[in-house]
Amino acid sequence: ETGVTQSPTHLIKTRGQQVTLRCSSQSGHNTVSWYQQALGQGPQFIFQYYREEENGRGNFPPRFSGLQFPNYSSELNVNALELDDSALYLCASSLDREAFFGQGTRLTVV
Amino acid sequence: RKEVEQDPGPFNVPEGATVAFNCTYSNSASQSFFWYRQDCRKEPKLLMSVYSSGNEDGRFTAQLNRASQYISLLIRDSKLSDSATYLCVEENTGFQKLVFGTGTRLLVSP
Repeated sequence: ETGVTQSPTHLIKTRGQQVTLRCSSQSGHNTVSWYQQALGQGPQFIFQYYREEENGRGNFPPRFSGLQFPNYSSELNVNALELDDSALYLCASSLDREAFFGQGTRLTVV
Repeated sequence: RKEVEQDPGPFNVPEGATVAFNCTYSNSASQSFFWYRQDCRKEPKLLMSVYSSGNEDGRFTAQLNRASQYISLLIRDSKLSDSATYLCVEENTGFQKLVFGTGTRLLVSP
């Protein structure tokens, strides 16, 4: 497969809670991007990390935050969950021209 | 106006048919374009990059028209396994910060 793994694969949370999603990048890939894909829509760019620094952000509120670690793995944190946060969350790691996506975490907020 | 617009379909075609998808983009400064394929409840996977000169990979041909700001994908001799959602993607704000269309769903029937 792509060598990018995400955990957990599925998650159910209650409105107002906080969630942390994890991504293990393909070996050597120093850039990781996170995307949100709502049902019936294309993925939307949340933010990108390059060598542990945020390197660009899409149109998402500050309650969406992230981290990248020295081994280039990454986390997406979402605070104060809302019902509209229910979506497939994808991370993509890249080194050169191609982005490799993980299988995603399906988050349901009830 | 959305940055990348696609007809969501679905396109229903018989095996062996030729089918074409178009998408339009709004940012004339965008440099790189791609087609990704996404199977139901799976992650997107790169199908091919799109160049102004056009490029072909087996049964798939992609074309970029910068003057009209549209991108096309042609699939010849459709197979059942081509059934998927095809996402038109541009990279317009920096390395691997991808902007996706909503996707066009293709259903190939026997």
